[in-house]
Amino acid sequence: QVQLQESGPGLVKPSQTLSLTCTVSGASISSGAYYWSWIRQPAGKGLEWIGRIYTSGSTNYNPSLKSRVTVSVDASKSQFSLKLTSVTAADTAVYYCARESESPHLFDNSGYYAPWGQGTLVTVSS
Amino acid sequence: QSVLTQPPSASGTPGQRVTIPCSGSSPNIGSYSVNWYQQLPGTAPKLLIYTNNRRPSGVPDRFSGSKSDTSASLAISGLQSEDEADYYCAAWDDSLNGPVFGGGTKLTVL
Repeated sequence: QVQLQESGPGLVKPSQTLSLTCTVSGASISSGAYYWSWIRQPAGKGLEWIGRIYTSGSTNYNPSLKSRVTVSVDASKSQFSLKLTSVTAADTAVYYCARESESPHLFDNSGYYAPWGQGTLVTVSS
Repeated sequence: QSVLTQPPSASGTPGQRVTIPCSGSSPNIGSYSVNWYQQLPGTAPKLLIYTNNRRPSGVPDRFSGSKSDTSASLAISGLQSEDEADYYCAAWDDSLNGPVFGGGTKLTVL
């Protein structure tokens, strides 16, 4: 059974860099046709896709965050990571990592997320 | 404001059937399949329906999904108290070049 677990600082100062790691267990992070993704959720609000990395190492990012986001993978540690620079209070949220499976339909880009990590709250405050 | 539109709330009584709509447009639901997630209070979202109408292993057949043109819907039959949660639809969007989520619907079991 695949499991994901986020880790990282719960408090980050404004203008600094938010760094989170997602540890994958129960499966190899470098095998299979999967994307490894980051999604966040501000308190009381909806879900926002941040970005993802494919097994091959290629990445995609939300255009609204692209200039500040980097997603990387360390297959030797079965981990993938998120870095978000120049954070502000608007970046305060619960951050989730998730595995994205490709749609079984040809030419269908709507992958689906399962499983998810339990989420980690990151607060941006001085 | 979310790209995919869901009503903020829905409700039903135990045993009832409820539907949650998700409205989109051509670059998203009109072109790609829809997935649904259930988020119980204080927990991470969980995949409920994928590729419009498929249920992952372990999801009761009380849950079903459908899609038509630029809209989708989630139906829950035989409503139970444990179904009280937030429900989100999601689909790929060509304008974003990434996945978009609905704003979520909070389901209350009366």
